[in-house]
Amino acid sequence: ETGVTQSPTHLIKTRGQQVTLRCSSQSGHNTVSWYQQALGQGPQFIFQYYREEENGRGNFPPRFSGLQFPNYSSELNVNALELDDSALYLCASTLGGVSTDTQYFGPGTRLTVL
Amino acid sequence: KQEVTQIPAALSVPEGENLVLNCSFTDSAIYNLQWFRQDPGKGLTSLLLIQSSQREQTSGRLNASLDKSSGRSTLYIAASQPGDSATYLCAVRLVDSNYQLIWGAGTKLIIKP
Repeated sequence: ETGVTQSPTHLIKTRGQQVTLRCSSQSGHNTVSWYQQALGQGPQFIFQYYREEENGRGNFPPRFSGLQFPNYSSELNVNALELDDSALYLCASTLGGVSTDTQYFGPGTRLTVL
Repeated sequence: KQEVTQIPAALSVPEGENLVLNCSFTDSAIYNLQWFRQDPGKGLTSLLLIQSSQREQTSGRLNASLDKSSGRSTLYIAASQPGDSATYLCAVRLVDSNYQLIWGAGTKLIIKP
């Protein structure tokens, strides 16, 4: 148990729709990162938030956006869904400075885009 | 551009054997390297974290080594058990690019009873 939860567990959407995925971090964990993991591949970094501000972004288009809230929860929003967005979406939280701390991952949300 | 490679992609060994999983990376400018375990349908569990100034870390039957100059890390699993069956991923944290993690594709390990 990592203390990080994600909802929903599974989700099916159609192309062009919008989706919001949610993550609840451990209390006191100020940094949250989101990753996309396609089947058979390693996770790809989407973005990272520290104390409600985005402070890092991977190679993902602007239709991937996020929010972090003071209660250690966060959201990943994806607009105009494409078939290639089908993947496992993982969030991870870190107590403080990400350079040295262990990340704690949630179980992920499996998104299928039809 | 940092690239992380894990070989082999899959490995099947009898219970009780000692085994080594390999991870290589192209840019030695890293903050740390982590090994994770992923079980089917589940998230990732951190196993070991090696800082860039360290050479190895140990936890129980697991030992991870880091050679920055050659861009390599190994995860050694002693006396393997069926419960060790999972996908093992390594990830390096970059010095620049806001410390993001770059991941390998993983090694799928099956321990046969």
